Amino acid sequence: DTAVSQTPKYLVTQMGNDKSIKCEQNLGHDTMYWYKQDSKKFLKIMFSYNNKELIINETVPNRFSPKSPDKAHLNLHINSLELGDSAVYFCASSQGLSGTYEQYFGPGTRLTVT
Amino acid sequence: AQSVSQHNHHVILSEAASLELGCNYSYGGTVNLFWYVQYPGQHLQLLLKYFSGDPLVKGIKGFEAEFIKSKFSFNLRKPSVQWSDTAEYFCAVTSRGGGNKLTFGTGTQLKVEL
Repeated sequence: DTAVSQTPKYLVTQMGNDKSIKCEQNLGHDTMYWYKQDSKKFLKIMFSYNNKELIINETVPNRFSPKSPDKAHLNLHINSLELGDSAVYFCASSQGLSGTYEQYFGPGTRLTVT
Repeated sequence: AQSVSQHNHHVILSEAASLELGCNYSYGGTVNLFWYVQYPGQHLQLLLKYFSGDPLVKGIKGFEAEFIKSKFSFNLRKPSVQWSDTAEYFCAVTSRGGGNKLTFGTGTQLKVEL
């Protein structure tokens, strides 16, 4: 049973398009995150949600809009895709906001913008 | 703001060699420290973590790390590496009150040769 799953695994699209990535966790966690891993493998947090409430919103272009319909799901919608959006996007979840809670990561979605 | 630096970007070792990967963090308050591993094509997995107590922590697969507060360091060690340890290794921190935001280092690519 996959703990944190993401769809799709690969996404190839053209500049200017709008796309969504979905994330689901079956761990019963109440906090979910989106991280971006660039071509140099650097990982940076984008957003976090706790009980469907936005907690962390790093300096991310407003073309990126997260949505959490319930505690088990966190989707990422990207408008007007740009070449620089090409990256691997990882979803993660944890039980709570304390810095001691381990985050469990999904398999990643490799987004390629052409 | 917290930051993490990993000085070794690429490390190549022969099987059975000992491993030490450096990690230093910058933050004025209390931190929680993590090492994550990313095997080729896979998601991040937690190797070990330190919150408090014994500064020498043991993780999975024979890895251990030592927290040295005076040096702001949390180096990862393994006495004898295997070919299957080939992966990207990330040091990360969270801070108290930081909403469980993981700040990652730039990663170390480890290649173990037979």
